[in-house]
Amino acid sequence: GENVEQHPSTLSVQEGDSAVIKCTYSDSASNYFPWYKQELGKGPQLIIDIRSNVGEKKDQRIAVTLNKTAKHFSLHITETQPEDSAVYFCAASNGSNDYKLSFGAGTTVTVRA
Amino acid sequence: DAMVIQNPRYQVTQFGKPVTLSCSQTLNHNVMYWYQQKSSQAPKLLFHYYDKDFNNEADTPDNFQSRRPNTSFCFLDIRSPGLGDAAMYLCATSRGARQPQHFGDGTRLSIL
Repeated sequence: GENVEQHPSTLSVQEGDSAVIKCTYSDSASNYFPWYKQELGKGPQLIIDIRSNVGEKKDQRIAVTLNKTAKHFSLHITETQPEDSAVYFCAASNGSNDYKLSFGAGTTVTVRA
Repeated sequence: DAMVIQNPRYQVTQFGKPVTLSCSQTLNHNVMYWYQQKSSQAPKLLFHYYDKDFNNEADTPDNFQSRRPNTSFCFLDIRSPGLGDAAMYLCATSRGARQPQHFGDGTRLSIL
């Protein structure tokens, strides 16, 4: 099955700086890669996703890049704000189960004011 | 706003006492999912429904069952909760396979 590794596990950045989270996946059949933001006491919120036919996608301060050959994808947050503080999960679709997402272990991001 | 609603937000039950968690959606999505999330961990898929077609993950304990009486509602039944079942239970929906999944805010289950 799919195995997703996510780094770093914690990330502290100064407000206004950029944050980068990296994930690798193992299943070359994976073709859908969402990113979720989870605030304390809430459910995961989809913030951006990318499919394997695209190398990069951007939505305001958030961007995701995908390298299919190397099987890794990254989340970039620019001009970080205190409200960006949360746990971020990357995920990859599962080659043998069309409905299953394999999640990374999560990155706790803290934006220092 | 279209959304995924979970009730209750907090549920306390006794060891071995059956409990039911509920989820409703106004997105009219075909697929509904139940996840278990323990502290500081990623969500773990328990099962999903495509319409009325039920799909169980291989490692989901027999103690967990689900019902989907109609498109909008889905229930998670835990027949005999053990201390290890204390967790956040998340419901999600999607239009179909490999489509964005939209999560509710979860029910935090405590076992006494």
